[in-house]
Amino acid sequence: DSGVTQTPKHLITATGQRVTLRCSPRSGDLSVYWYQQSLDQGLQFLIQYYNGEERAKGNILERFSAQQFPDLHSELNLSSLELGDSALYFCASMRGQQGSDEQFFGPGTRLTVL
Amino acid sequence: EDKVVQSPLSLVVHEGDTVTLNCSYEVTNFRSLLWYKQEKKAPTFLFMLTSSGIEKKSGRLSSILDKKELFSILNITATQTGDSAVYLCAVGASGTYKYIFGTGTRLKVLA
Repeated sequence: DSGVTQTPKHLITATGQRVTLRCSPRSGDLSVYWYQQSLDQGLQFLIQYYNGEERAKGNILERFSAQQFPDLHSELNLSSLELGDSALYFCASMRGQQGSDEQFFGPGTRLTVL
Repeated sequence: EDKVVQSPLSLVVHEGDTVTLNCSYEVTNFRSLLWYKQEKKAPTFLFMLTSSGIEKKSGRLSSILDKKELFSILNITATQTGDSAVYLCAVGASGTYKYIFGTGTRLKVLA
C-alpha cells in the first residue's frame, strides 16, 4: 500500500458525460501528478500540482481539468467524454516538486466510456 | 522533444534466467531516472538513479546509469515467476516538474 488513495476504483459512463476522479496523496506529500494509461500504452503525464498550484502540464485535453485543494487532495475532471478516454487514470504523490524524488502511485481509477 | 525509449517491448524467459532491460533517453537537463514495476495495477518504485548514485542493487535486481551514453539498464538475475510484470522507466529533469515515462518492457517468466 503506497499511502495514496484514489476513488472510485471503477467508473462506467456514457459518451458526452462528465466525471470526477479523486486522489488523496500520502501524508506530507505536497505534489500530485495525474497520468493516463490506455491499453498497452505507457503512462502519459497529464498535469501536476504542488501545494495547490499548477506546476506542469502535459498532454492534457482541454476537456480535462484538475485542481488541488487546501487539504492537498486533488480532483481530475473529465468532460464531454469520448470512447477514447477509456483508460486507467493514476495519481501519484511526491514530497517535493522536481525530478529528483520518488513518486508513489495510487491504485488507479479505471474509466470505461460506453 | 524529450523522450524515453525502452527495449525490448516484450520478453519471455524461463525461471532462473537473467534478463537485461534497457532504457535510453533524450531529456534536457537530466536530473534522475526511475525504474518502476507494474503488475496488475499501480507502478511500484524500484530504483532511482542520479548523478550522485549511478548504480543501485536490491536483491536480485540491479541497475546502472550511463549519463554519457544516456541510458540505463535494469538487470534481474535468477528470475522468478513473480518477476512477471511491466517494467517502466521514467526520467525527471531539472527546472521542470514532470516525469517522462517510457512505454515499458513486458516481462513474462515461465515456470
